[in-house]
Amino acid sequence: KTQVEQSPQSLVVRQGENCVLQCNYSVTPDNHLRWFKQDTGKGLVSLTVLVHENDKTSNGRYSATLDKDAKHSTLHITATLLDDTATYICVVGDRGSALGRLHFGAGTQLIVIP
Amino acid sequence: EAAVTQSPRNKVTVTGGNVTLSCRQTNSHNYMYWYRQDTGHGLRLIHYSYGAGNLQIGDVPDGYKATRTTQEDFFLLLELASPSQTSLYFCASSAGQNYAEQFFGPGTRLTVL
Repeated sequence: KTQVEQSPQSLVVRQGENCVLQCNYSVTPDNHLRWFKQDTGKGLVSLTVLVHENDKTSNGRYSATLDKDAKHSTLHITATLLDDTATYICVVGDRGSALGRLHFGAGTQLIVIP
Repeated sequence: EAAVTQSPRNKVTVTGGNVTLSCRQTNSHNYMYWYRQDTGHGLRLIHYSYGAGNLQIGDVPDGYKATRTTQEDFFLLLELASPSQTSLYFCASSAGQNYAEQFFGPGTRLTVL
């Protein structure tokens, strides 16, 4: 059973527009949540990590929120660029140590067009 | 320089073939991981290790062996490859404490005919 669901599955936006990606999960316990960016044919690169209830983070044009009560996270991308074209993957960790498991979503494929 | 490297980047073999995927990290991390990524699925953990000589079973270990020869090197072995093992394989390393970030290699695309 998939424990991390991402939506939308894919998204097309025009350069300069903002977009919001969603992540809902059922992982318990939910120690932390991390968003990764995966360029086509490349490895995953971390964008941000959220740890606490109602955490908010910001990393340049990327910002993220976490609602642990609702088991929900959003990733906002502001003023998209062509280089933002990638798959964005939500990952939930069920422990604060390496003994825990990471639960990966299938990703949202974002395409930014001129 | 990339801190996690994988080789080969692409590999084609036949059913029943013997394949070894290599991973090296220069992060001085204790933990290393092997994942597979398939369309429509999140990454799935095959094996992981927390040091040279150590091996832990992941969530989808069937058909795979692994060996950690040094802190830097982690290998994934497919001794009798099957078409179901056609996938994109990623290696990662992490320091392992708390919510330490995992650093990923560029991936190896394996095709089993």
